[in-house]
Amino acid sequence: QQQVKQSPQSLIVQKGGISIINCAYENTAFDYFPWYQQFPGKGPALLIAIRPDVSEKKEGRFTISFNKSAKQFSLHIMDSQPGDSATYFCAATASNQFYFGTGTSLTVIP
Amino acid sequence: SAVISQKPSRDICQRGTSLTIQCQVDSQVTMMFWYRQQPGQSLTLIATANQGSEATYESGFVIDKFPISRPNLTFSTLTVSNMSPEDSSIYLCSAEASGNTIYFGEGSWLTVV
Repeated sequence: QQQVKQSPQSLIVQKGGISIINCAYENTAFDYFPWYQQFPGKGPALLIAIRPDVSEKKEGRFTISFNKSAKQFSLHIMDSQPGDSATYFCAATASNQFYFGTGTSLTVIP
Repeated sequence: SAVISQKPSRDICQRGTSLTIQCQVDSQVTMMFWYRQQPGQSLTLIATANQGSEATYESGFVIDKFPISRPNLTFSTLTVSNMSPEDSSIYLCSAEASGNTIYFGEGSWLTVV
């Protein structure tokens, strides 16, 4: 059973546009929600993370929106750039258990 | 944060052989994990490497196939034993640091021929 459901599987965005990736979970025990960015040939790198006591966290062009009642969270990439082209994974953690989404392959077209 | 170094970064192995991947963390960490990632796919947890005790394996992974060592709080190894082409994958070491955050190494890309 997939603990964290991620969509879309792939995404193509024009340069300057907004990329939005969504994740949903069921386990209300999750208390930390990180996003990872993975470039081809590299390991996943922590991008941004949020705890459920806040509804939004912004770091530069990257924003996490968190809806606790809906058990959903999303990553927004503003002013998307070709260099953002990568695979993005959401995750949810609780008690040293880590669950990853299935990943979204983002392509930003110049 | 934690900086994680893995080696080898890439290898081509013969069917039936075994390969040991080493993972070094730049600071002491409690939790270390080994993941497998098929190209273009998500991350599958193989096992949690426990310091001073046997690793905890996920369903579908067994110690005879993937023996793991964790001699101290900064180092772990994963051995892929009796390899077959189905074992061709990216193997990722990770560690938990600074409050529920896990960090990954760059991965070890194995091709079994």
